[in-house]
Amino acid sequence: AQSVTQLGSHVSVSEGALVLLRCNYSSSVPPYLFWYVQYPNQGLQLLLKYTTGATLVKGINGFEAEFKKSETSFHLTKPSAHMSDAAEYFCAVSTSGTYKYIFGTGTRLKVLA
Amino acid sequence: ETGVTQSPTHLIKTRGQQVTLRCSSQSGHNTVSWYQQALGQGPQFIFQYYREEENGRGNFPPRFSGLQFPNYSSELNVNALELDDSALYLCASSWRGQGVTNEKLFFGSGTQLSVL
Repeated sequence: AQSVTQLGSHVSVSEGALVLLRCNYSSSVPPYLFWYVQYPNQGLQLLLKYTTGATLVKGINGFEAEFKKSETSFHLTKPSAHMSDAAEYFCAVSTSGTYKYIFGTGTRLKVLA
Repeated sequence: ETGVTQSPTHLIKTRGQQVTLRCSSQSGHNTVSWYQQALGQGPQFIFQYYREEENGRGNFPPRFSGLQFPNYSSELNVNALELDDSALYLCASSWRGQGVTNEKLFFGSGTQLSVL
């Protein structure tokens, strides 16, 4: 069975500060890992994904994440937060070909001026 | 803009009623998945349709059913509504081909269902 744990349901950072959103996964087979962002009253937008290959993945809007198998982690980072980054972020795990995603409970990011 | 549209955007029903939610997938996508997102929670997988057949189901009772049509549209039907069915329902389309893996899901903006 697969699962995802997102540490911290709410994270606040100052504008210009580092953003770090934590995600740990559990999977008995090689995982596919994703980060999605959800703005109010909208669906989910893919930020980045890891399937195979390079463990450091770059996504849209300056976000990146690193797959660390030994730590079963896939934390999301951005060097400098912008006000427009305020949203809810979801980490998800899947496996090849299943298309069934297991989502975490989300982290709401607040950016302070 | 994901190219996936859902209707209606909001819906209010009473307990025991039936509801149909609709989704129009991105053109060419042969797979559609439905997710339920309760308030303050992450989306939970309901089921997936591939080429008009159910291709996987989450932990949801049979009163949740679906259809996928050749024109890239799909429906989620829920019978005998319960209060706990109140949630945002998201559909997500994707493309699957033999030997080709495209893991990217394109989500619609969802239908907010309130059951009173």
